[in-house]
Amino acid sequence: DTGVSQDPRHKITKRGQNVTFRCDPISEHNRLYWYRQTLGQGPEFLTYFQNEAQLEKSRLLSDRFSAERPKGSFSTLEIQRTEQGDSAMYLCASSLGFRGTNEKLFFGSGTQLSVL
Amino acid sequence: AQKITQTQPGMFVQEKEAVTLDCTYDTSDQSYGLFWYKQPSSGEMIFLIYQGSYDEQNATEGRYSLNFQKARKSANLVISASQLGDSAMYFCAMREVGNQFYFGTGTSLTVIP
Repeated sequence: DTGVSQDPRHKITKRGQNVTFRCDPISEHNRLYWYRQTLGQGPEFLTYFQNEAQLEKSRLLSDRFSAERPKGSFSTLEIQRTEQGDSAMYLCASSLGFRGTNEKLFFGSGTQLSVL
Repeated sequence: AQKITQTQPGMFVQEKEAVTLDCTYDTSDQSYGLFWYKQPSSGEMIFLIYQGSYDEQNATEGRYSLNFQKARKSANLVISASQLGDSAMYFCAMREVGNQFYFGTGTSLTVIP
């Protein structure tokens, strides 16, 4: 069990550029979540997948954000035309999806995005 | 309305003492799950404890216990025998029927030697 891995750990970009983050969940987990966390706040839900299907997307998410999970394995989160307000830690989490303690989320170490 | 409310931005506890971190939630679902996570300064989110809405007994995991009061919609975390390594941010979270997880704003716990 290698845990949830995210790449890159840090990303610095200029305003207006596009960025893409990758998340590799725990292999047997069918649910994958993306969260955004800013300093002093809790994780804010962005979107989640059940296998390859994107089942829910936050209404707070602008159309500059898109996520994919081809073949139900790894996932990518793309932010187009980045803005300074996009600066945050982007967390990926996965779970088995069954009710009970097995539905707990396992988090990756996150990607810290800084938009200059 | 906030789904998860944590009213204690910061808490201090003496080493070896017990501490309670407050959490209230808001949902109209009958089936939901409640979770507590720890986030040390290193940034990783560590699962601590789970309580299902239909569980009649309070959950316990080692030094962690969850004081679940369904009618009051509260799910307080109790840490017994605090250790220096318990210093971290603590987040309460809820999973509703739709499988979305909501997190509170967190409580920063500092354990004093």
